[in-house]
Amino acid sequence: DVKVTQSSRYLVKRTGEKVFLECVQDMDHENMFWYRQDPGLGLRLIYFSYDVKMKEKGDIPEGYSVSREKKERFSLILESASTNQTSMYLCASSQLLGGTKNIQYFGAGTRLSVL
Amino acid sequence: DQQVKQNSPSLSVQEGRISILNCDYTNSMFDYFLWYKKYPAEGPTFLISISSIKDKNEDGRFTVFLNKSAKHLSLHIVPSQPGDSAVYFCAASAYNQGGKLIFGQGTELSVKP
Repeated sequence: DVKVTQSSRYLVKRTGEKVFLECVQDMDHENMFWYRQDPGLGLRLIYFSYDVKMKEKGDIPEGYSVSREKKERFSLILESASTNQTSMYLCASSQLLGGTKNIQYFGAGTRLSVL
Repeated sequence: DQQVKQNSPSLSVQEGRISILNCDYTNSMFDYFLWYKKYPAEGPTFLISISSIKDKNEDGRFTVFLNKSAKHLSLHIVPSQPGDSAVYFCAASAYNQGGKLIFGQGTELSVKP
């Protein structure tokens, strides 16, 4: 079974803090993704990565950065947390390209509250 | 620009009856469609998918139908069970977009005993 593990289920941070969200997958997947989920908006892609040290902006990258130093690990960084970044953050991974390999496998999510 | 839309935020169905969740898309380059199920405080889990070369895919109680001319897909759950109560997301991908998925807003299904 594919396992995607997010380091924290719940986080509470203060405005202006630097926040790190960690994600690890154990299936040797090339692709990794970070989304945020907000009511009525579905899942919105923040950043994704096709390979180690590679990153691509998603639909809402502002205020975020990412790091992928190892294939199995993809980190999301909030440089200076703001209240509008309070959300559920979801990490996912998938094999490379095409057909059934587009199935993404998700972690349990991190509920982040910024006060 | 919302390329994948689920216009019904919620749906309530009686146990044993059919649940039909709908999804519309605008991008004709989409060639693969997926449905995910999400319980509160958990990540989405993959449910069923369909390639654009098919119009139907069935897996147990779940069937997905694709109408390419209408740019519409639907998920049928028969019979519905209380454990099916969750938020359902449809998602789509295009062959030239790598592994990216575009998600709809989700439909919350409630199956009542």
